[in-house]
Amino acid sequence: NAGVTQTPKFRILKIGQSMTLQCAQDMNHNYMYWYRQDPGMGLKLIYYSVGAGITDKGEVPNGYNVSRSTTEDFPLRLELAAPSQTSVYFCASSFQGAENTIYFGEGSWLTVV
Amino acid sequence: GENVEQHPSTLSVQEGDSAVIKCTYSDSASNYFPWYKQELGKRPQLIIDIRSNVGEKKDQRIAVTLNKTAKHFSLHITETQPEDSAVYFCAASNNNNDMRFGAGTRLTVKP
Repeated sequence: NAGVTQTPKFRILKIGQSMTLQCAQDMNHNYMYWYRQDPGMGLKLIYYSVGAGITDKGEVPNGYNVSRSTTEDFPLRLELAAPSQTSVYFCASSFQGAENTIYFGEGSWLTVV
Repeated sequence: GENVEQHPSTLSVQEGDSAVIKCTYSDSASNYFPWYKQELGKRPQLIIDIRSNVGEKKDQRIAVTLNKTAKHFSLHITETQPEDSAVYFCAASNNNNDMRFGAGTRLTVKP
């Protein structure tokens, strides 16, 4: 199993640009998450999904959108990039919710200039 | 919502000494408390977890204790080694899929 795979690993965006961070998992996990990690800080939940077709907001959803058309994929969309969105983004998945081991992807480093 | 506070933010110990990291949480309904280790530039990885029906759990040199009454839990690393150097995060979850993380502790183990 590849686990949780994220792309791209690094990206520089200009203010106002849009982009999609891709995330895929091959562990047949129902639950998927997007977190952001600012320098020297913990992880904050942006959005999560409990299964295909279902998404819900986390702690810091503003400026982001997600979709979950399949069990495997959970892309994160930034519509109008702002400098405050400069961060490291981690996609993650778990078998049955946050009470089970959460497996993280390798992270996507995003800089908005 | 849940609020998790973690202390200290940095911790430096001599190789072979013990390290203790403490976390407090605010939501008494939280019932799952994992600890993650994140090496520089890498993804967080689960090292140990504890559920609210257990007071202590141990795995080799790592142990976690939970005090539900006081709403705090701690990570204990004994006989520290240089490879234990990393950032450690505590987290708390209360069945609502919104796991809240502490701000992290940067542990440095000096040889």
